[in-house]
Amino acid sequence: DVKVTQSSRYLVKRTGEKVFLECVQDMDHENMFWYRQDPGLGLRLIYFSYDVKMKEKGDIPEGYSVSREKKERFSLILESASTNQTSMYLCASSLNGEQFFGPGTRLTVL
Amino acid sequence: AQKVTQAQTEISVVEKEDVTLDCVYETRDTTYYLFWYKQPPSGELVFLIRRNSFDEQNEISGRYSWNFQKSTSSFNFTITASQVVDSAVYFCALSGVISNFGNEKLTFGTGTRLTIIP
Repeated sequence: DVKVTQSSRYLVKRTGEKVFLECVQDMDHENMFWYRQDPGLGLRLIYFSYDVKMKEKGDIPEGYSVSREKKERFSLILESASTNQTSMYLCASSLNGEQFFGPGTRLTVL
Repeated sequence: AQKVTQAQTEISVVEKEDVTLDCVYETRDTTYYLFWYKQPPSGELVFLIRRNSFDEQNEISGRYSWNFQKSTSSFNFTITASQVVDSAVYFCALSGVISNFGNEKLTFGTGTRLTIIP
């Protein structure tokens, strides 16, 4: 079974803090994605990566950056967290178009 | 630009009733893929189905069936004889050509929350 894991299920941070969300997949997938999910807005793509050290902006990249140093790990970084980044963050990896999702991290920024 | 519309925000039905979740999409691509995902209360999205734009055959998997109609740009999902375990948020999604170069970006609808009442 494909396994996508995320470092935390729940996270509380303060405005201005630097936040790292980690995602690891164990199936050697080349493509990885970060989404945020908000009520009434569905899932929106923040960034994706199709290879190590490669990254592409999604639909809402502002305020975020990413890092992919190893194939299995894709990190989402909030350089200076703000309250409007309070959300559920979902990571996914994909093979042949089927995306496998992690359990999500619910981030609250106070 | 791609767009997916799920006009039904919330649906409640009594157990054993049939229920259809609507999905309408917009794309300029001639080759594209449509997906349905289920998000149970635990939060993890579960893949249900993928269809490509050249295959308009309806698909049935147990109590689940999908109706793909290019003429109306719709990809509707029907649950027959619903069960409490079907309670979840269901997302319809659209992607372009699948390749290894990042074209697998999914555009999601806003989801439909389905509640099955015992």
